[in-house]
Amino acid sequence: NAGVTQTPKFQVLKTGQSMTLQCAQDMNHNSMYWYRQDPGMGLRLIYYSASEGTTDKGEVPNGYNVSRLNKREFSLRLESAAPSQTSVYFCASTGDQYRGGNTIYFGEGSWLTVV
Amino acid sequence: AQSVTQPDIHITVSEGASLELRCNYSYGATPYLFWYVQSPGQGLQLLLKYFSGDTLVQGIKGFEAEFKRSQSSFNLRKPSVHWSDAAEYFCAVGAPNFGNEKLTFGTGTRLTIIP
Repeated sequence: NAGVTQTPKFQVLKTGQSMTLQCAQDMNHNSMYWYRQDPGMGLRLIYYSASEGTTDKGEVPNGYNVSRLNKREFSLRLESAAPSQTSVYFCASTGDQYRGGNTIYFGEGSWLTVV
Repeated sequence: AQSVTQPDIHITVSEGASLELRCNYSYGATPYLFWYVQSPGQGLQLLLKYFSGDTLVQGIKGFEAEFKRSQSSFNLRKPSVHWSDAAEYFCAVGAPNFGNEKLTFGTGTRLTIIP
């Protein structure tokens, strides 16, 4: 009963390093999301993929890239990490992005620190 | 664009006491409204949601919320809290006729339970 699985759970990067956060869901969902969570700011959408083969920018896309590898997997890449990208990252999925009332299922989060 | 406000950053209640978490939204029409809970080290889990109809919505874990259009509020309540309810609670507002990319999360209320 995995749901949404994201890796790694913890990562420390040096400024300028690159890394990829991996996410996979086993619920046959069409739509997937990457959010970041910062203290006092709630969750903010970085990128989303409404369906396999499509990706779109969210509220805070600068400094990130994404890849929808297949229906199950949606990765988030930091090409040149900056301290401002220190955050907790959540992957999420839902059946249909265009049905705004659908329940969104979240992974357990990835804690990223950039020093 | 819609917005959501959770005026209480941190609330402490005694085990067995009643609970009310406040959520106010701004939107031109009736929005979609959600409450999510985040336990320590976990992702967000949906507690309940409101689309239309009956303004009192029942959720999981004994929670309920009431939509009050006149007050632009969607407060979360529980008659008697348990120690396991200690978590962070997020209210979210979505825009009908738009997808989940328009979902806006509040900044969260941290709930502490004392014996």
